[in-house]
Amino acid sequence: DTGVSQDPRHKITKRGQNVTFRCDPISEHNRLYWYRQTLGQGPEFLTYFQNEAQLEKSRLLSDRFSAERPKGSFSTLEIQRTEQGDSAMYLCASSLAGKQTQYFGPGTRLLVL
Amino acid sequence: EDKVVQSPLSLVVHEGDTVTLNCSYEVTNFRSLLWYKQEKKAPTFLFMLTSSGIEKKSGRLSSILDKKELSSILNITATQTGDSAIYLCAVGGNSDYKLSFGAGTTVTVRA
Repeated sequence: DTGVSQDPRHKITKRGQNVTFRCDPISEHNRLYWYRQTLGQGPEFLTYFQNEAQLEKSRLLSDRFSAERPKGSFSTLEIQRTEQGDSAMYLCASSLAGKQTQYFGPGTRLLVL
Repeated sequence: EDKVVQSPLSLVVHEGDTVTLNCSYEVTNFRSLLWYKQEKKAPTFLFMLTSSGIEKKSGRLSSILDKKELSSILNITATQTGDSAIYLCAVGGNSDYKLSFGAGTTVTVRA
């Protein structure tokens, strides 16, 4: 399967703990995006990378959130000191630069207790 | 800020029925409108519509873009239970990276 993959698929954590998610994009795609989706809503843009450079961050991305794409391939999204409001599906997508079609991974569903 | 509104929020139909989903948008410098199907996992890409490609069809699914009315419809004919999903509409605007999504329409097809 050469689609976008994410790990883990599910994560349950206690409030105040740190969590890290991983995304592996489609191999030839140089752009990688992170979105957050809550129940009954569409995905909301968080941030994106072109190669290893993080080019844009949404104001939704508080200081507790950090994302990296160190070698321009996989990416990690870390949430520090999780809060119950962080409970959501975190979706990763990838595309070729300049192309609007983004291909999504299966998501990581986070539940903060 | 870009705005995407989908209607209805949900609908229930029987197998064989035809459904029409609506998406209206307000976006700066419209580039494209995309439809995705989301089951209990990743949104799956269906269509992309642009100024140069305002109508797309694939099997029982078809979509039209109305740039004058700033809207799009997605039609599903001869519905099957496997069509049950959330259908998401997204638009690409001034930025060439960010998609703005609507809240989705939940379609339930009963046998």
